[in-house]
Amino acid sequence: EVQLVESGGDLVQPGGSLRLSCADSGFTFSRDWMAWVRQPPGKGLEWVAEIKEDGSVRSYVDSVKGRFTISRDNAKNSLYLQMNSLRVEDTAVYYCARGGGRSDDGDWGQGTPVTVSS
Amino acid sequence: DVVLTQSPLSLPVTLGQPASISCRSSQNLVYSDGNTYLSWFHQRPGQSPRRLIYKVSNWDSGVPDRFSGSGSGTDFTLKISRVEAEDVGVYFCMQGTHWPWTFGQGTKVEIK
Repeated sequence: EVQLVESGGDLVQPGGSLRLSCADSGFTFSRDWMAWVRQPPGKGLEWVAEIKEDGSVRSYVDSVKGRFTISRDNAKNSLYLQMNSLRVEDTAVYYCARGGGRSDDGDWGQGTPVTVSS
Repeated sequence: DVVLTQSPLSLPVTLGQPASISCRSSQNLVYSDGNTYLSWFHQRPGQSPRRLIYKVSNWDSGVPDRFSGSGSGTDFTLKISRVEAEDVGVYFCMQGTHWPWTFGQGTKVEIK
């Protein structure tokens, strides 16, 4: 069974940084768009960022532009999200997702929680 | 940004009976390649979302055929032909036509 496993979530103070990782046990990572989606506690879903198979295209939602960076290492089947200048409103469970918004692939991981609080 | 409006927001259902959820978009979701990138997700309590349907009516792997998606342009529907206990949770529609991709606010399905 293909699995996406996120890690790196933690409690961090406002203004701090955090790096999330997603390990993909599947065989198609290098051929898939990948994405990060978040869900604040008790709320809906927000597509945060996505990255093309070779890393040449990256897109971000306006609320994280300039603060978050999505990246990938195809040799390690891994996806990353570097989060800087964190705000209280970034508090959420962050999910790693296979495929972009237009992909026929749609696997998601179990999520990693990020709490931004003083 | 594209706004997706789901209705109803709460849906009490009887086991074995059909259920239907509507998703209306503030913009036409037909992309320049001719595809309509509208997906449906199901999130059980305490679990991550699972995609059920993509491009309006295509099933993801392992999704029971009691789920079906339909619609075009700005109006879309997810139907469950006969609700089972495992179908409880929140259902979200999502569009991948206009960046940033956006989700509906969710419809909570519960058993009467």
